[in-house]
Amino acid sequence: EDKVVQSPLSLVVHEGDTVTLNCSYEVTNFRSLLWYKQEKKAPTFLFMLTSSGIEKKSGRLSSILDKKELFSILNITATQTGDSAVYLCAVEPDNAGNMLTFGGGTRLMVKP
Amino acid sequence: NAGVTQTPKFRILKIGQSMTLQCAQDMNHNYMYWYRQDPGMGLKLIYYSVGAGITDKGEVPNGYNVSRSTTEDFPLRLELAAPSQTSVYFCASSFGTSGRVDEQFFGPGTRLTVL
Repeated sequence: EDKVVQSPLSLVVHEGDTVTLNCSYEVTNFRSLLWYKQEKKAPTFLFMLTSSGIEKKSGRLSSILDKKELFSILNITATQTGDSAVYLCAVEPDNAGNMLTFGGGTRLMVKP
Repeated sequence: NAGVTQTPKFRILKIGQSMTLQCAQDMNHNYMYWYRQDPGMGLKLIYYSVGAGITDKGEVPNGYNVSRSTTEDFPLRLELAAPSQTSVYFCASSFGTSGRVDEQFFGPGTRLTVL
C-alpha cells in the first residue's frame, strides 16, 4: 500500500524564520510528488517534482526531491503570517491515472 | 472560467438520509476525483473518473456512489448517511493526458455533518 508521511505534524514560528517541512513516501513505481497549500478551503498547487535533485523555486518557497532516499522537503524562507496554512504532500504512482496519495499534512502557524 | 465548483457548501443530514454532492468543472478536464478530508487529516480518494462513462473506486469508496454522464459533471451520492461520513468533501479535476503529469485543481469543498 502506498504511504506518505509528513513531519512535523505542526509547527509554530515567528515572522522572518525559515522552516523546513518534510515528506517521506513509500510508493511502487513513483511518478511525481506534489506540494499543496491549504488555507481555509481548497488545496492550491505549489510544486510538482518528478526528477531527483532538481530544486523548484517560487519566491520564498522552494522544494527538492530525493528519489533515492524517498523524501522531499519544502523550504519557506523569511516566513510571513500569510504562510500560515496546512501544507500537503502527495505522491502519484506511475500508471495510476493521476491518482494521488496524500500525507496527513503539516500545520504551519506564523506569528507576527 | 469558474474552475471547479461544488454545491452545497454546507449540509447537515440525519442518519439514514441520502444526498448528492454536486461537482462541475469548465476546464474540459478528462479526469475528475472525489476526496474526503477528516479533521486534521490528509485527503483520501473516494472515487475517480478518467472520462465520461468511466468511474473507478479509490481508497475509501464504501457508502458512496458516483456517475459521470458528461465531461463537466461528477456528482457524488451518499446513500444511508452515517456519522462516519461527517467530513469535508473535495472534488478535483485534471487534464489527465496520457504520459503527462498534471496538477489537480480543487473545488471549494462541501462540509457535511451527519447527526
